[in-house]
Amino acid sequence: NAGVTQTPKFQVLKTGQSMTLQCAQDMNHNSMYWYRQDPGMGLRLIYYSASEGTTDKGEVPNGYNVSRLNKREFSLRLESAAPSQTSVYFCASRETVGNQPQHFGDGTRLSIL
Amino acid sequence: GDSVTQMEGPVTLSEEAFLTINCTYTATGYPSLFWYVQYPGEGLQLLLKATKADDKGSNKGFEATYRKETTSFHLEKGSVQVSDSAVYFCAPHSYNTDKLIFGTGTRLQVFP
Repeated sequence: NAGVTQTPKFQVLKTGQSMTLQCAQDMNHNSMYWYRQDPGMGLRLIYYSASEGTTDKGEVPNGYNVSRLNKREFSLRLESAAPSQTSVYFCASRETVGNQPQHFGDGTRLSIL
Repeated sequence: GDSVTQMEGPVTLSEEAFLTINCTYTATGYPSLFWYVQYPGEGLQLLLKATKADDKGSNKGFEATYRKETTSFHLEKGSVQVSDSAVYFCAPHSYNTDKLIFGTGTRLQVFP
């Protein structure tokens, strides 16, 4: 059972470089989410997708773009990385029918120098 | 706006001690309530859930009861183990926005 798969697991970038974080789920879920986790701040929602072809901003969208490529995949792009974007990024998905929980990937640890 | 308040951590206990982690929330509508656990270096895992008032969620010896009148969902375990050391997140799910509401989490440290 793969669940939610994130790649890469670790990445180091230089300021100004671009990068795409990949996320795929094999549970046929409609909703997908991107979060960032910083020390002492819990998880903050970056972007959200209720279904294929739709995306919506979360709490901290500045500096990021997303693509819901199909039902399985939801990617997060940093166009010009900044040190403030050093964080751990989590992708999650959820079945929208019923009171279902979100399922999380193992995270991408991103450092920007 | 929607929010969650959890105990400040870290919570430090000896093995076999009783654990309570308090959680209160504000959320529009009638949210489902979840506890997630994050072990060091890992993602979040669902620990337990409750979807309506007075429901009790339970898993791995942990329990929490949905208290609508006090908007609380406190996590308890009768006897903690060293392996329970982790960060615990209380997270209501707002169906108005289809989003989880996260607080800062509570770090639990259990010593032998």
